[in-house]
Amino acid sequence: DFQMTQSPSSLSASVGDRVTITCRASQSISTYLNWYQQKPGKAPKLLISTASSLQSGVPSRFIGSGSGTDFTLTISSLQPEDFATYYCQQSYSMPLSFGGGTKVDI
Amino acid sequence: EVQLLDSGGGLVHPGGSLRLSCAASGFTFTSYSMGWVRQAPGKGLEWVSLIDGSGVDKYYADSVKGRFTISRDNSKNTLYLQMNSLRAGDTAVYYCAKDSLSRDTFFDNWGQGTLVTVSS
Repeated sequence: DFQMTQSPSSLSASVGDRVTITCRASQSISTYLNWYQQKPGKAPKLLISTASSLQSGVPSRFIGSGSGTDFTLTISSLQPEDFATYYCQQSYSMPLSFGGGTKVDI
Repeated sequence: EVQLLDSGGGLVHPGGSLRLSCAASGFTFTSYSMGWVRQAPGKGLEWVSLIDGSGVDKYYADSVKGRFTISRDNSKNTLYLQMNSLRAGDTAVYYCAKDSLSRDTFFDNWGQGTLVTVSS
């Protein structure tokens, strides 16, 4: 099974900051890595698939990169609506697995 | 517009059973794999199960294998999760989610979630 490790588990930032979240896979998963955003009391929302493909309607300030075992989600200029928890998910093989999450707050 | 409406959650005693449903609309249901993802209170996301569009291929997390059964009724555009032998550790919000049409499995639409509480 593939273990996904996110860091940091939480971070504090200000509007306008550049924020970087890291996700590491226990084995190579090529680019089969996806990112979700979840706000309190809401369902997760898909932001980025296949490491770097931005979903329709997602602002371009969200940037995904990486391959193999190391991936990053960068928010180039944090906006008030971006304060949320972010999860990575590997889709390389079953069982699917998520990272532990990174909470971004003020 | 894709809509997924989760239902069926509630309070159940340890060892009990519950069936969750997810009514889907706004897309060709039979063309997509569907899954369940859960989130324990204050915790992260945990994938539970996946079923292909035809209902033939099914996958489970080790934590639920042998206790949970995923199924679908394509004539009713509805996804199900039959949960038996429930434990306190199964307490969570359960989300149904729609797979993309990509070769790999990720979820591009989610239901609102339904809360399952296992407690005596």
